Amino acid sequence: KAGVTQTPRYLIKTRGQQVTLSCSPISGHRSVSWYQQTPGQGLQFLFEYFSETQRNKGNFPGRFSGRQFSNSRSEMNVSTLELGDSALYLCASSLEGRGSTDTQYFGPGTRLTVL
Amino acid sequence: AQSVTQLGSHVSVSEGALVLLRCNYSSSVPPYLFWYVQYPNQGLQLLLKYTTGATLVKGINGFEAEFKKSETSFHLTKPSAHMSDAAEYFCAVTPFILTGGGNKLTFGTGTQLKVEL
Repeated sequence: KAGVTQTPRYLIKTRGQQVTLSCSPISGHRSVSWYQQTPGQGLQFLFEYFSETQRNKGNFPGRFSGRQFSNSRSEMNVSTLELGDSALYLCASSLEGRGSTDTQYFGPGTRLTVL
Repeated sequence: AQSVTQLGSHVSVSEGALVLLRCNYSSSVPPYLFWYVQYPNQGLQLLLKYTTGATLVKGINGFEAEFKKSETSFHLTKPSAHMSDAAEYFCAVTPFILTGGGNKLTFGTGTQLKVEL
């Protein structure tokens, strides 16, 4: 089975722009979660989608949004980019999103640099 | 709110020596606990997880961890370090019960493991 894929792998944007990142989960996985990784704040949970619905949300401003399509692929969008949004954005997928029994498989991430 | 604390942001061991990476959790209810490893320019890979049952959990690459409720700890160990173990390791927790179900991992700040000849 192919793993979790994220596109693009690297992205450079300027302040004020918006960006869309894409995540394709492992085939058959219905839960997709997004995390932000920065040197200062570490790994932080953004949100989780399951069956096209946002099921859980972290403590991020409304500039961060996401969606999931019927094929379980997910996108996250960041509007009005700030320098502090520079980070590695990781996507993870799991079968049903049950923390006890499902394993989350992570993609390689998208490295976003905001200038 | 749940949290995990990893003691030591950097740990250095000699090849063949014992690896011990520390993780303490804070939770009002029994949590699920995980250890992930991250190699440079890669995503996270699950090493092992504790949900219920046996408190000594064996994972991949010879790693294991023991859940100690009395000490609120979930330390990661490996008897003999290998050069290929050099990476960053993250301890994580997820609630036993999450309203609406689903995933929401809370990660520690990570421990960079260096393995020296």
